[in-house]
Amino acid sequence: KNEVEQSPQNLTAQEGEFITINCSYSVGISALHWLQQHPGGGIVSLFMLSSGKKKHGRLIATINIQEKHSSLHITASHPRDSAVYICAVSEAGTASKLTFGTGTRLQVTL
Amino acid sequence: ETGVTQSPTHLIKTRGQQVTLRCSSQSGHNTVSWYQQALGQGPQFIFQYYREEENGRGNFPPRFSGLQFPNYSSELNVNALELDDSAMYLCASSTKTINEKLFFGSGTQLSVL
Repeated sequence: KNEVEQSPQNLTAQEGEFITINCSYSVGISALHWLQQHPGGGIVSLFMLSSGKKKHGRLIATINIQEKHSSLHITASHPRDSAVYICAVSEAGTASKLTFGTGTRLQVTL
Repeated sequence: ETGVTQSPTHLIKTRGQQVTLRCSSQSGHNTVSWYQQALGQGPQFIFQYYREEENGRGNFPPRFSGLQFPNYSSELNVNALELDDSAMYLCASSTKTINEKLFFGSGTQLSVL
């Protein structure tokens, strides 16, 4: 079992839909990252959070430390949101190591 | 644009050869981490360098080694290349070793034949 699990693995949505991507982890963490990866490899950091909720534009990230669960929400989705979304955790006590989920591939159609 | 540049973008090597990949960190960032991403998988942590010293290592053999220079640019060296080393190699820089937003380069795609 992977230490970081994401669901769904693949997601297709129509433009304007509200999207939720989930991340569950099994280890103690000091922080959780949400990343966006476009075809060709480039990764962009969307959020880093250790508690509560963060919002940036149409993106919202929440985390529940007790339940070891985080969600990434996209409101009013747009085709340019199409990408792979990756959850990664900084394990408590390991200083530098990030453990990544396998990603959620999102396709937003017109 | 993250300000982190990697070179080369693509590389083809044969089994047994050695390879050096380079990463130029964003200005002011003293920490760099390297990751290996196989096709269809999430990245795997190789190691991190902080102020020219290794500061944590993942489950990779010693033939994966690194350097960080005084200007905080970095190299990843892989000796005795194996077919399974074919992957995208990503570096990410930050201003702290943990709990800090990461800035990723666009990666180097390595193919080992």
